[in-house]
Amino acid sequence: DIEMTQSPSSLSASVGERVTITCRASQSISTYLNWYQQKPGKAPKLLVYAASSLQSGVPSRFSGSGSGTDFTLVIDSLQPEDFATYYCQQNYRIPPSFGQGTKLEIK
Amino acid sequence: QVHLVQSGAEVKKPGSSVKVSCKASGGAFGTYIINWVRQAPGQGLEWMGRSIPLVGTTDYAQRFQGRVTITADTSTSTAYMELSSLRPDDTAVYYCAREVDSAMGYDHWGQGTLVAVSS
Repeated sequence: DIEMTQSPSSLSASVGERVTITCRASQSISTYLNWYQQKPGKAPKLLVYAASSLQSGVPSRFSGSGSGTDFTLVIDSLQPEDFATYYCQQNYRIPPSFGQGTKLEIK
Repeated sequence: QVHLVQSGAEVKKPGSSVKVSCKASGGAFGTYIINWVRQAPGQGLEWMGRSIPLVGTTDYAQRFQGRVTITADTSTSTAYMELSSLRPDDTAVYYCAREVDSAMGYDHWGQGTLVAVSS
């Protein structure tokens, strides 16, 4: 199985800041990498698919990059509604697997 | 607009089974994949399996093999996930999620169904 490792596990930041979350796969997954945002008590929401494609309706302050084993999610100019937990997911090989999550908190 | 609506919360005894439904509206149900993902309290996301109605196949995570059955009824646009031999550590929120293409992520999710397993 492919293991996904996110860093950091938690992050404190202020409104307006730029934050970067990284995700590493235990083997190459090409660009079969997705990012989700989850708020407490809610289902995850797809932000970025295929490593760098922004899902329809997602603000442009979110961006993804990477290929192979190393991927990045960047949030430019944090907004209050961005404080949530973020997960990466590989969909290259069954079973699909998620990172452990990065909790983004308000500083 | 696609909506996935799941059945309500369940409380189950250890050793019993639970069947969660996921009814889809909008979109062509038989043409996409329905995945099931669970989340234990305070924990991350765990993929359980998927149904591909178009070809009539299913895939399961190895750790759930033999305990989980995922089905899809195209006549009612409803997917089901049945988990048997329930244990207290199966207590979790169970989600269904739509996948149109393996390169495009899970773009629509159900609201989640809490399954609590307790004696």
